[in-house]
Amino acid sequence: DTAVSQTPKYLVTQMGNDKSIKCEQNLGHDTMYWYKQDSKKFLKIMFSYNNKELIINETVPNRFSPKSPDKAHLNLHINSLELGDSAVYFCASSPTPGSSEKLFFGSGTQLSVL
Amino acid sequence: DAKTTQPNSMESNEEEPVHLPCNHSTISGTDYIHWYRQLPSQGPEYVIHGLTSNVNNRMASLAIAEDRKSSTLILHRATLRDAAVYYCILHLYGAQKLVFGQGTRLTINP
Repeated sequence: DTAVSQTPKYLVTQMGNDKSIKCEQNLGHDTMYWYKQDSKKFLKIMFSYNNKELIINETVPNRFSPKSPDKAHLNLHINSLELGDSAVYFCASSPTPGSSEKLFFGSGTQLSVL
Repeated sequence: DAKTTQPNSMESNEEEPVHLPCNHSTISGTDYIHWYRQLPSQGPEYVIHGLTSNVNNRMASLAIAEDRKSSTLILHRATLRDAAVYYCILHLYGAQKLVFGQGTRLTINP
């Protein structure tokens, strides 16, 4: 069983479309994250949720809306996609926010906006 | 966010030890030192972390300088599967995120 799973693995779409990326973790963790890795390979945190509540929003455009229906799921919905949104998006989870415990990452969703 | 400095790239040979350095001169007393690695086309993977004392696990060892301003990740016997980007990260206890730097791209020669 994959600990943190994301779908889809690849997403190719046109500018202006709306798309969603789903993430699920089966580790029983309280905290989930979305990270973005751009073409220069820098990994930047976008959002963090603890037990379905938003705790970090790193000045991400409001076209990006995370939704956490329960603490095992954190989905990312993106409206009006732009060329600059092309990147690899990683979901992650950890036991508790602010602890020194490790993060578990999914294998990523490569988003290409044409 | 406290900053780390790592070499952009390093190269080593298979079955030899690898020492990956990290400088973190602005570390504070409650910052943990974390190491992650990212294999090609995969998400980051936890390697090891420590606060003050050296740490060992099945993947690697972490040697932390006495003043904590630098650390070294040690892969005791590199294999081709260890080729990856290795990230050294300072994680403030109580902070709710990890801030990744540029990392070190490690190449392993057969």
